Amino acid sequence: NAGVTQTPKFQVLKTGQSMTLQCAQDMNHNSMYWYRQDPGMGLRLIYYSASEGTTDKGEVPNGYNVSRLNKREFSLRLESAAPSQTSVYFCASSEQGLEAYEQYFGPGTRLTVT
Amino acid sequence: AQTVTQSQPEMSVQEAETVTLSCTYDTSESDYYLFWYKQPPSRQMILVIRQEAYKQQNATENRFSVNFQKAAKSFSLKISDSQLGDAAMYFCAYRNPRGYGKLTFGQGTILTVHP
Repeated sequence: NAGVTQTPKFQVLKTGQSMTLQCAQDMNHNSMYWYRQDPGMGLRLIYYSASEGTTDKGEVPNGYNVSRLNKREFSLRLESAAPSQTSVYFCASSEQGLEAYEQYFGPGTRLTVT
Repeated sequence: AQTVTQSQPEMSVQEAETVTLSCTYDTSESDYYLFWYKQPPSRQMILVIRQEAYKQQNATENRFSVNFQKAAKSFSLKISDSQLGDAAMYFCAYRNPRGYGKLTFGQGTILTVHP
């Protein structure tokens, strides 16, 4: 059972370049999330998708776009990368509802923008 | 907006000893969920323990237990009989049950375990 997969695991970009981070889950979860992790700041929510066909902004959405391609896949796009976007990016998925459902995380992508 | 604060950037413990990691949060909700996640050097996020706010009983999972003080908005993690494999970054997280599953994380505490 693969769980949540992310590609790539590492990426180096130059300022102004674009790229898409891919995420897929095989647990039939409705909800998916993108977080970024920076030292001393924990994980912060960039965008989320409560269900297929819907997306919404999180805490730090500026400079990013997302696409919920289908129930399995949720991609994050950087249109014009900036050094401030150097971070570790995590995709996650979960059930949704009035229970303490666990969020399952992918292995992360370490992105460096020079 | 909810906030989660972990005031201990780093903690250390001797193998086989007990350590407590602190977490406080701010919310106006009465129903919510709290979690502790572990992030070892592999970067993989692993759920350690969860607590529903409506439950008065503190959650336990083997050597891991919490001290949930709802009135004080405090949610500490106790690790008993610490093992070398417990060395990791630990994150406290809050979830509003009506917030589409979004998590709000604390800043993290790095735990070092000395042999």
